[in-house]
Amino acid sequence: AQTVTQSQPEMSVQEAETVTLSCTYDTSESNYYLFWYKQPPSRQMILVIRQEAYKQQNATENRFSVNFQKAAKSFSLKISDSQLGDTAMYFCAFMKLSGGSNYKLTFGKGTLLTVNP
Amino acid sequence: DAGVTQSPTHLIKTRGQQVTLRCSPKSGHDTVSWYQQALGQGPQFIFQYYEEEERQRGNFPDRFSGHQFPNYSSELNVNALLLGDSALYLCASAPGGTRGTGELFFGEGSRLTVL
Repeated sequence: AQTVTQSQPEMSVQEAETVTLSCTYDTSESNYYLFWYKQPPSRQMILVIRQEAYKQQNATENRFSVNFQKAAKSFSLKISDSQLGDTAMYFCAFMKLSGGSNYKLTFGKGTLLTVNP
Repeated sequence: DAGVTQSPTHLIKTRGQQVTLRCSPKSGHDTVSWYQQALGQGPQFIFQYYEEEERQRGNFPDRFSGHQFPNYSSELNVNALLLGDSALYLCASAPGGTRGTGELFFGEGSRLTVL
């Protein structure tokens, strides 16, 4: 079974600054995806960024980037130039690649990020 | 293009009752999964449907059951409600088969309160 651990229940950052959210995971699988999802107060979960485990290059999406350390089973999210709209709960999640249509996500407990003006 | 839609958005039930939650997947998606999110926690996988069959199931009792219809919409049924079933229930969809990229699209959820 896979586990995902987010050790920072809450974090805060000033607008325009950079913040890093931590995530570690445990798995015996070799092929998998890792995700960061954002859940603002409106409740809808939105994908922030995705990383395929077989890719060595770290994924980036505009102001969001990850530091993927496969051997250490670490997957941190860096948010640059933080904006007030980034205030949300952030979840790290794991999905085993098993082909076909198996879409089971294992989530961490989340990190509540507050961006202050 | 409508995203994932869920109904109802809020509902209140009493212990022992039964509840049905509904989900319409995003256009072009044919696999649907359900998650339970307790207050302050990450979502927990309940089960996933594809081609009208339950393909995977998480660690939830048989009181939790589901169905997928030919139009790919889905229902989650919970029988004999317990106080601990109070949670936000999220539906997520994705394209099945080899079209998927691993990304799930979520609805806004159904908030269930059991009194």
